[in-house]
Amino acid sequence: AQKITQTQPGMFVQEKEAVTLDCTYDTSDPSYGLFWYKQPSSGEMIFLIYQGSYDQQNATEGRYSLNFQKARKSANLVISASQLGDSAMYFCAMRGTEIQGAQKLVFGQGTRLTINP
Amino acid sequence: KAGVTQTPRYLIKTRGQQVTLSCSPISGHRSVSWYQQTPGQGLQFLFEYFSETQRNKGNFPGRFSGRQFSNSRSEMNVSTLELGDSALYLCASSGTAPGLAKNIQYFGAGTRLSVL
Repeated sequence: AQKITQTQPGMFVQEKEAVTLDCTYDTSDPSYGLFWYKQPSSGEMIFLIYQGSYDQQNATEGRYSLNFQKARKSANLVISASQLGDSAMYFCAMRGTEIQGAQKLVFGQGTRLTINP
Repeated sequence: KAGVTQTPRYLIKTRGQQVTLSCSPISGHRSVSWYQQTPGQGLQFLFEYFSETQRNKGNFPGRFSGRQFSNSRSEMNVSTLELGDSALYLCASSGTAPGLAKNIQYFGAGTRLSVL
């Protein structure tokens, strides 16, 4: 079974500071994908960044980067130069390879990030 | 560029009724997945459809069902509603579409269901 753990229920950060959101995972699949999504109060889940288990380099997308440490089973999200609009819930998720091509995400409980001006 | 569209955005039903939610995926996407989000249980996978076939199923009772049409649009149905079915229901699509990463699930804004 796959499991995602996000240990920070809430975080408060000053605008323009960098922030790291923690995510650890557990799986027996040899191949898997790790995702981060942002959920504003409107409810829509916004895809941020993806890391494949066999990717050699850490993924980056603009101000988002994923600090992937495979041996420690962690996939932390780093947001550089935080902005007020970054205030939202952030979810770490995993997709394994239970069925070829099937799409099933397992989510963590989320971290509520608040950016203070 | 049109994203994933879910209708309706809000629903209020009473116990025992049934409800149907609709999801139109991104053009070109053939996989549609459904998730339930509640404060207590978080985000949980319901099922996935691909080419009109259920390809994967989560651990939900048979009251929860879905289907997919030939144009990839999907519906999910919940029969005999219970108070605990109150949740945000999110639909996601994935596949091949211009300008979008393959195998990434893109979500709609969700349908918020309240069961009274």
